[in-house]
Amino acid sequence: QKEVEQNSGPLSVPEGAIASLNCTYSDRGSQSFFWYRQYSGKSPELIMSIYSNGDKEDGRFTAQLNKASQYVSLLIRDSQPSDSATYLCAVNKAGNAGNMLTFGGGTRLMVKP
Amino acid sequence: SAVISQKPSRDICQRGTSLTIQCQVDSQVTMMFWYRQQPGQSLTLIATANQGSEATYESGFVIDKFPISRPNLTFSTLTVSNMSPEDSSIYLCSVSDRGNYGYTFGSGTRLTVV
Repeated sequence: QKEVEQNSGPLSVPEGAIASLNCTYSDRGSQSFFWYRQYSGKSPELIMSIYSNGDKEDGRFTAQLNKASQYVSLLIRDSQPSDSATYLCAVNKAGNAGNMLTFGGGTRLMVKP
Repeated sequence: SAVISQKPSRDICQRGTSLTIQCQVDSQVTMMFWYRQQPGQSLTLIATANQGSEATYESGFVIDKFPISRPNLTFSTLTVSNMSPEDSSIYLCSVSDRGNYGYTFGSGTRLTVV
């Protein structure tokens, strides 16, 4: 079992729709959870972080965390073609040298005009 | 958040040679991380670099192949040694400049080994 799992996609949604991206993780000791967006040929860009159960909203983005189910999701409302990218779920856990990020494989989102 | 300057942005190298990648941060940070992103894949942590101590490598990565320097709290280098085509990847440095509240990435180095 991978430590952080995501559906690779592509997830295709029409412009204006809600895109729902999901992520599961295996380590119950994980404390912090992040969503990164990565455009092709670019480095990852942090868009959301969440630390406690429930929802966290920031503009068109909502992150949801359920630690009991070891599940993190990202909702993108009013999806735009510019949201087309790969979305990486990352989990922070204690490693050999302190806290480190473990990434899922990423979900490619395509928003069609 | 911290601003990271990473260079080179890309390089094409001959097999058997070595390439050193540099990351400069605009503020002092305790931990710097080096990741590899193979084509079409996600990010895999190579090692964690702390100033004043040897880097800690993840399973599957060894110091002889990926030596790391961390001479101060704002700078680190990663060397990819004795390169083969399998080393063709994007290499990224990252810092945890906000503790558990976020990690910032450099712009990446796209390495092609021929």
